[in-house]
Amino acid sequence: EPEVTQTPSHQVTQMGQEVILRCVPISNHLYFYWYRQILGQKVEFLVSFYNNEISEKSEIFDDQFSVERPDGSNFTLKIRSTKLEDSAMYFCASSPLTIGAGGEQFFGPGTRLTVL
Amino acid sequence: AQSVTQLGSHVSVSEGALVLLRCNYSSSVPPYLFWYVQYPNQGLQLLLKYTSAATLVKGINGFEAEFKKSETSFHLTKPSAHMSDAAEYFCAVKLSSNTGKLIFGQGTTLQVKP
Repeated sequence: EPEVTQTPSHQVTQMGQEVILRCVPISNHLYFYWYRQILGQKVEFLVSFYNNEISEKSEIFDDQFSVERPDGSNFTLKIRSTKLEDSAMYFCASSPLTIGAGGEQFFGPGTRLTVL
Repeated sequence: AQSVTQLGSHVSVSEGALVLLRCNYSSSVPPYLFWYVQYPNQGLQLLLKYTSAATLVKGINGFEAEFKKSETSFHLTKPSAHMSDAAEYFCAVKLSSNTGKLIFGQGTTLQVKP
């Protein structure tokens, strides 16, 4: 069964460093998403991406964040200068061409980012 | 602001007992509603979804949920808990078909005791 994969599973970085979180969505999906979950808090939407551009983003997704689909398979989230409060579990998700009414999002296992 | 509230961050039941996980939403329009489950070290997996068809929705692993507009609720139930149901459960809402953004509740950890 096809699944969304994410690498690495755990990333530790120093404050101020750049990190890139990688995701491989399901191959025939065209909508991509990033969410994050700070420990003990809700899963929060960050950004959605379609047709090589951001279709929607939250207020969390400021200039420190960027997303890219560098090739036909990967979908990346870059944080330019990490802060302590960026420590969280980051989930990638993808959904088929038509999100339509209640289109299902398929989630990856997450990358735990720890900023020291 | 639209939100999703899950009552009870931890729920404990005995094996074979009824599972009831509560979810209430606030929305000015009927939303699309979802329940996801997360097993340890895995991603979020869709259990079931409500998309304005039948108000009683059946999902995987014997779970079902009923959309009650008058109560703005979408509670998740299972008649008989199995040990394998122990996981974290998330209720989520999507406000329209024009957005992919899911708004999640804070999650409920289900413990199943033998």
